[in-house]
Amino acid sequence: QVQLQESGPGLVKPSQTLSLTCTVSGGSISSGGYYWSWIRQHPGKGLEWIGYIYYSGSTYYNPSLKSRVTISVDTSKNQFSLKLSSVTAADTAVYYCARDRRYCSGGSCVTWGMDVWGQGTTVTVSS
Amino acid sequence: EIVLTQSPGTLSLSPGERATLSCRASQSVSSSYLAWYQQKPGQAPRLLIYGASSRATGIPDRFSGSGSGTDFTLTISRLEPEDFAVYYCQHQGTFGQGTKVEIK
Repeated sequence: QVQLQESGPGLVKPSQTLSLTCTVSGGSISSGGYYWSWIRQHPGKGLEWIGYIYYSGSTYYNPSLKSRVTISVDTSKNQFSLKLSSVTAADTAVYYCARDRRYCSGGSCVTWGMDVWGQGTTVTVSS
Repeated sequence: EIVLTQSPGTLSLSPGERATLSCRASQSVSSSYLAWYQQKPGQAPRLLIYGASSRATGIPDRFSGSGSGTDFTLTISRLEPEDFAVYYCQHQGTFGQGTKVEIK
């Protein structure tokens, strides 16, 4: 079955760029029908959706983070990545990658939810 | 921007009891995009319900979802010990703040 694994630095300095990668195993990121998402959870808080990408490179971001977020995909490595620029302590969180099964056509989508999640990786922003 | 408000914040119940969790949207939303997740401490969320009422693969039938428009409900018919957790509703890029179901 498909598994996701986040990787990247656990400590990032303020004002720098947070970079994480999610490696997909057990299936192809290019198989279609899935959007690949990033979600974060601040300590002791709820979930915040960051954005997602399709294997073709189409992206959609949370408007509140859009100016600082870039999500990219590397189909040759079966990975997708998150970059969050100009980080502050408020970006300290557990970051999850997830698979969002959905079909989009003509501007509308049908979704079957985020059915596979990575275990999460803790990122602390501190000098 | 759609806001999802979950209630109650905490639900204290005993095993075997029925749990009813509410998710209210600030404006009418498509039920096609309404999902529920369960999260236990130190674990990633797990998809329970999508499309407001469809159970995800492997989810026991004691979990059910319902609702439309602005009001959605997750019901756990008889709580098992492993059901005590935090539950989140989600619509597209928005999550509710969560409801914690704790042992009474």
